[in-house]
Amino acid sequence: GNSVTQMEGPVTLSEEAFLTINCTYTATGYPSLFWYVQYPGEGLQLLLKATKADDKGSNKGFEATYRKETTSFHLEKGSVQVSDSAVYFCALSNAGGTSYGKLTFGQGTILTVHP
Amino acid sequence: KAGVTQTPRYLIKTRGQQVTLSCSPISGHRSVSWYQQTPGQGLQFLFEYFSETQRNKGNFPGRFSGRQFSNSRSEMNVSTLELGDSALYLCASSPGGIYTDTQYFGPGTRLTVL
Repeated sequence: GNSVTQMEGPVTLSEEAFLTINCTYTATGYPSLFWYVQYPGEGLQLLLKATKADDKGSNKGFEATYRKETTSFHLEKGSVQVSDSAVYFCALSNAGGTSYGKLTFGQGTILTVHP
Repeated sequence: KAGVTQTPRYLIKTRGQQVTLSCSPISGHRSVSWYQQTPGQGLQFLFEYFSETQRNKGNFPGRFSGRQFSNSRSEMNVSTLELGDSALYLCASSPGGIYTDTQYFGPGTRLTVL
């Protein structure tokens, strides 16, 4: 079946530091890959997505590249801000009838950025 | 466009009761998915509805059920509540529920079972 593994957290950084959150997946075929962010007391917001190999998703300074050879979709940002403090989820969806409307999530990574 | 809305935002129930949660998708979206979020199990898929039909279901007991109306609004019901059902319940909508679609999430309903 499908699965997503994220790096262990929590991650604590100083403002303007470089961020990497690792995400690897197991899936058959060519899944779509997503990063979502959740702020305290809120639902999930899409951060970026990629739907085929070698695609790069980007938004608000965050980037991730769909690497099929390493089954990875690592999230990066060159300079984090305090406002980036949140929980980040890597997720995938796959084709096929039993996958309709289903996202498979990683366990989430808590990011805290200090001034 | 208005986002996904969920009502109520907070609920407190006691064991054995039942509860109904509501979700209104983004206008024009026909697929609604439901997820349960807990600290221990993370985000788990409950079920998905498209055009009033359940197309997919996660690994949850039959106490969890749902439905979708002709205007794409969806409800989920949990009967005979257990303490372990305390969670944040999230719904998400997408245009067609296919694997390349982005799912847009509501703010969630926080259910506490005492």
